[in-house]
Amino acid sequence: KAGVTQTPRYLIKTRGQQVTLSCSPISGHRSVSWYQQTPGQGLQFLFEYFSETQRNKGNFPGRFSGRQFSNSRSEMNVSTLELGDSALYLCASSLVAGPPYEQYFGPGTRLTVT
Amino acid sequence: ELKVEQNPLFLSMQEGKNYTIYCNYSTTSDRLYWYRQDPGKSLESLFVLLSNGAVKQEGRLMASLDTKARLSTLHITAAVHDLSATYFCASPSNFGNEKLTFGTGTRLTIIP
Repeated sequence: KAGVTQTPRYLIKTRGQQVTLSCSPISGHRSVSWYQQTPGQGLQFLFEYFSETQRNKGNFPGRFSGRQFSNSRSEMNVSTLELGDSALYLCASSLVAGPPYEQYFGPGTRLTVT
Repeated sequence: ELKVEQNPLFLSMQEGKNYTIYCNYSTTSDRLYWYRQDPGKSLESLFVLLSNGAVKQEGRLMASLDTKARLSTLHITAAVHDLSATYFCASPSNFGNEKLTFGTGTRLTIIP
């Protein structure tokens, strides 16, 4: 069974630009969550999508947005990039429907903003 | 606000020794997750603890959950070098949703 995939794996952008990251969950998984990991703030929850609906949102500004498609693939978008947005962005997928309620993480997209 | 606290933040151990990482959380969730992260890599799931008193073991690692004390432990037995990594615990905010709050992580270094 293929794992969670994320594209691109590495990205370099300039301040003020926008970026779109993509996540394909494990086949059959309907929930996709996004996390940001930085050395200073650690791992922080961005948002979670289930059946194309955002169910939960973390404490991030509106520049961070996402969506989920009918095939459960998800994208997140960051507009007007700031230097502080440099981070490893991880997505995780889960079945949701029952135990073990486990989240499986993708390899991440490392975003560098210059 | 949900808090998940791990200690220690850094741990340097000699091979062959035993040690425990502690994870305290403030939710009423009966689930707790442990992950491992190697430098530059993603998160690898180690244990999913689903109820009070749950204990799981894999090789030299054993995790337990005490929901009454809101405490989980990750015990390392007879450490070996390839256990060097950062270990995170994570708690869901509410039962049934997929929003995890992570601890700060424990960077474990095993010294030969």
